[in-house]
Amino acid sequence: KAGVTQTPRYLIKTRGQQVTLSCSPISGHRSVSWYQQTPGQGLQFLFEYFSETQRNKGNFPGRFSGRQFSNSRSEMNVSTLELGDSALYLCASSSGDSVYQETQYFGPGTRLLVL
Amino acid sequence: GESVGLHLPTLSVQEGDNSIINCAYSNSASDYFIWYKQESGKGPQFIIDIRSNMDKRQGQRVTVLLNKTVKHLSLQIAATQPGDSAVYFCAENIIVGDMRFGAGTRLTVKP
Repeated sequence: KAGVTQTPRYLIKTRGQQVTLSCSPISGHRSVSWYQQTPGQGLQFLFEYFSETQRNKGNFPGRFSGRQFSNSRSEMNVSTLELGDSALYLCASSSGDSVYQETQYFGPGTRLLVL
Repeated sequence: GESVGLHLPTLSVQEGDNSIINCAYSNSASDYFIWYKQESGKGPQFIIDIRSNMDKRQGQRVTVLLNKTVKHLSLQIAATQPGDSAVYFCAENIIVGDMRFGAGTRLTVKP
């Protein structure tokens, strides 16, 4: 089975621009979670989608948004980019079939640099 | 607030020795824990997990111990190899889809 894939792998943007990142989960997985990883804050939860609905959300401003499609692929969008948004953005998928958390498998991440 | 934390930010061991990486968590409602390994330039890689109804789980060369009394989690790596050098994260789950990660411990294996 192919793992979680993320595109693009690297991205350079300037302040004020917006960006869209894409994530394809493991085949059959319906839950996709997004995380931001920075040296200062570590890995922080952004949001989680299941069956095209946002189920949970972390403590990030409204500039960070996401969506999920019927094939479980997910995108996240960051509008009005700030320098502090420079980070590695990771997505993770799990089956989502249980009411209990199941193993999340991560993609390689998208490295975003905001200039 | 509730958080997951690691006792040691760095750990250096000799090749062939056993490694123990510790993690303290403060949320007694956490019911699922995962250890991840992250190598430079890569996403976190699943190592082993454990649910709160267990206190020990073994995998290939790795063992996770959970002590709910003192809210402590540890990862034991047997016969540590150079390929084990990476940053190790513990993560706890309270709400489905939301894993809370510790700061990470950098493991360095000396040949």
